[in-house]
Amino acid sequence: QVHLVASGGGVVQPGSSLRLSCTTSGFIFVRHGMHWVRQAPGRGLEWVALILNDGRVKYYGGSVKGRFTISRDNSKSTLYLQMNSLRGEDSAVYYCARDLGPSARESWFDPWGQGTLVTVSS
Amino acid sequence: QSVLTQPPSASGTPGQRVAISCSGSMSNIGSNNVNWYQQFPGTAPQLLIFRNDQRPSGVPARFSASKSGTSVSLAISELQSEDEADYYCSAWDDSLNGYVFGTGTAVSVL
Repeated sequence: QVHLVASGGGVVQPGSSLRLSCTTSGFIFVRHGMHWVRQAPGRGLEWVALILNDGRVKYYGGSVKGRFTISRDNSKSTLYLQMNSLRGEDSAVYYCARDLGPSARESWFDPWGQGTLVTVSS
Repeated sequence: QSVLTQPPSASGTPGQRVAISCSGSMSNIGSNNVNWYQQFPGTAPQLLIFRNDQRPSGVPARFSASKSGTSVSLAISELQSEDEADYYCSAWDDSLNGYVFGTGTAVSVL
């Protein structure tokens, strides 16, 4: 059974950094791209980033480009999101999701992890 | 700042049919496949429809979707109480070089 478990969230001050992790099991991690998607409290979904299976190609949403870095360790079947220069508007539940599909632009997300809450506040 | 527009809410009585629209542009829906996700309160989203109109195994046939130009529609026929959830459309956007989500639609069963 496929499992994705996001962790690393917490309460941090504006301007600080945080690294999220997504540990996976039940599938061949190196064969899949992986996404981060976030959801601010009471708001809709916002796509954050995608990393392809080999880790060399990455895509970012406009609001996080230059501040967040997506990475992966295929030997550990783990996905990461390094978040720097955090702002109040980055406060959200962060979900990791497996990418299914033949290419970056022809994909869908399944399954999703349970999410980890990041709160940026002074 | 969603680029895909959905109505904020939709409702129906048990057994009725409900349709949810999702409107975009040529750079996203007009050029790429659309996926739909279902999210129950307090839980992670789950895939409902992929590649415009394909249902993953386990998704009831009551859920269907279609695409026309720069808009898509999700239909729930024979509405049931367990269908109460938020529904989001999503597609790759060629201009933004990334995925975009719809604004989300909350479906309620009266």
